[in-house]
Amino acid sequence: DQQVKQNSPSLSVQEGRISILNCDYTNSMFDYFLWYKKYPAEGPTFLISISSIKDKNEDGRFTVFLNKSAKHLSLHIVPSQPGDSAVYFCAARSGNTGKLIFGQGTTLQVKP
Amino acid sequence: DSGVTQTPKHLITATGQRVTLRCSPRSGDLSVYWYQQSLDQGLQFLIQYYNGEERAKGNILERFSAQQFPDLHSELNLSSLELGDSALYFCASSTANSPLHFGNGTRLTVT
Repeated sequence: DQQVKQNSPSLSVQEGRISILNCDYTNSMFDYFLWYKKYPAEGPTFLISISSIKDKNEDGRFTVFLNKSAKHLSLHIVPSQPGDSAVYFCAARSGNTGKLIFGQGTTLQVKP
Repeated sequence: DSGVTQTPKHLITATGQRVTLRCSPRSGDLSVYWYQQSLDQGLQFLIQYYNGEERAKGNILERFSAQQFPDLHSELNLSSLELGDSALYFCASSTANSPLHFGNGTRLTVT
């Protein structure tokens, strides 16, 4: 039962353009959503998050949008840089334990 | 550097064997989480401990067990290993309501 889904395994964009990574979820009890970035041979690193009471959160080049009615969130990176090339995981939190449910990840390649 | 330390980085062992993976959380973090990432898969939640007590359980096999010690470090024990247990095992830690901070993982190869 995949409660968090990232349907695009990979995405390739040109440097300077916008990268849009998508994530869908099924559990309406999720109250907090996060994006993590992962480079090879490293653990995931926290990038940005959004509470379910908001629809947008921005941090520099990164913006996360949440559409609760559609159970969909997206991560926008503008402008994209070659150093952004990594695997991006979306994650959702349910309840008060703090545990996160992760999507399968999307590999982003930003070409110079 | 996330502050979460995992040892060893790599582990190669044979089927049927038992291994122990170790995790030291960030200073001050009471919660420790274990995740498994198999080839081309997302991170699958295994188990969470909070201040020494089991807090939440995910898809953890009966052959696997974990514990968190009084100094808050945690160990994940994997026994009767099978080829399919080959994966990256990540530990993460957090304080209340903060994002999880991950270690760099232990790569387990079962031959």
